[in-house]
Formats: sequence, structure tokens, C-alpha cells
Amino acid sequence: NAGVTQTPKFQVLKTGQSMTLQCAQDMNHNSMYWYRQDPGMGLRLIYYSASEGTTDKGEVPNGYNVSRLNKREFSLRLESAAPSQTSVYFCASTGQGGGLYGYTFGSGTRLTVV
Amino acid sequence: GQQLNQSPQSMFIQEGEDVSMNCTSSSIFNTWLWYKQDPGEGPVLLIALYKAGELTSNGRLTAQFGITRKDSFLNISASIPSDVGIYFCAAMNYGGSQGNLIFGKGTKLSVKP
Repeated sequence: NAGVTQTPKFQVLKTGQSMTLQCAQDMNHNSMYWYRQDPGMGLRLIYYSASEGTTDKGEVPNGYNVSRLNKREFSLRLESAAPSQTSVYFCASTGQGGGLYGYTFGSGTRLTVV
Repeated sequence: GQQLNQSPQSMFIQEGEDVSMNCTSSSIFNTWLWYKQDPGEGPVLLIALYKAGELTSNGRLTAQFGITRKDSFLNISASIPSDVGIYFCAAMNYGGSQGNLIFGKGTKLSVKP
């Protein structure tokens, strides 16, 4: 009963470095999402993938790219990390009906950019 | 864009107290959800509401879908220390143009010092 698995759990990057955050779900869900959480800002949608082969921008996409590798996996890439991207990143997924039955979230990746 | 306004932003609880929080919007939604996030973890779904006026309970938690479809309320009765965390409301219009959940900014529950 793994649900949504995110790796790594913690990461420290230097400004300008690149990295990819990995997300995989084992629930055969169609839709997957990447959020960032900052104090007092709630959850802000970065990118989402409504189904395999499609990706769309969310509220705060600048500085990020995504890849829906297959139905299970949805990765988030920071090409040139900036201190403003210091945040906690959550991946989520949901099945038929979109968010009707809620999203299942991973436990997060805590990223610090110095 | 559409926004959900949660209040209060934060509150302190003493064991045994009842807690109330709410979520409002200027837009109408046909689905309201409440999540809880424990420290260091991702949000977990607590309650889902699908009908205006609906009242749904999950143990000591009770949530209501506002009759105007523009708000929702969450009550926690007889709070205990493990209730601390951040509570998020979320809403969407299933079947409509708004296909993704919108989240409020959260209500942070802490234990009274």
C-alpha cells in the first residue's frame, strides 16, 4: 500500500544547480500533480498531468519543467535552481473523476537552495 | 482566479476544547473536501462533501457543505493533542470547466502553551 512515493525526501542545492524530483504512484491513477508549499501560502499548483502523455501549467510554473514518463511516474525538474525555489514539494495523484474523491499526496521533498 | 479563504489562519487549542474553522469563496462549487497535514507529512483526506447542506462526520470531526455552495465548515469536538497540524479546505466543480482542486491556505492548529 505504497500510494504516492516521492524521492528524495531532503535535498540541498547550490544556486544554479539542476535536479529532478521523482514521483511514482501505484494506484493506476490517471492524473498527477506537483505542488509547492511555503509558509502561509498554502499549496500552489506548479504543473499537472491530466492523463498519460499530457502536461499543463498550473499557478506557478516558472523555473520548472515536468515529464509524465508513463502512467505511474511524473517528474519535476529544476534546470537552474534559485533560492526562491526553497520549498516543500508535494506530488499528488487521483483517479477517474478528477478530484471528486480527493487527491492522494506523497510525503514531500524538502528542498533548500543556498 | 478562484480563491478559497480559510479562517482562522491559526489557532491554539487546549485539550478537550471544541474547534471550528471555515472556508469561503465568491464562487460556487459542487464539491468540498477537508484535508489534514501532520508535521513533516503530506495532506490526508478527512471528509468529502458533495451536496449543498450536507453534514458529514468522521469520528470527532464534522464538516458541512454550505447551503449557498460558497462555503464549508469543519468542527472538531473534544480536541486531543494529535489534532495539531494544518487543516486545508479544497473545492472543485466536478464535470465543469474547473477540473482541478483549489486549496485554501490552511488553518494551523497548535497546542496552547
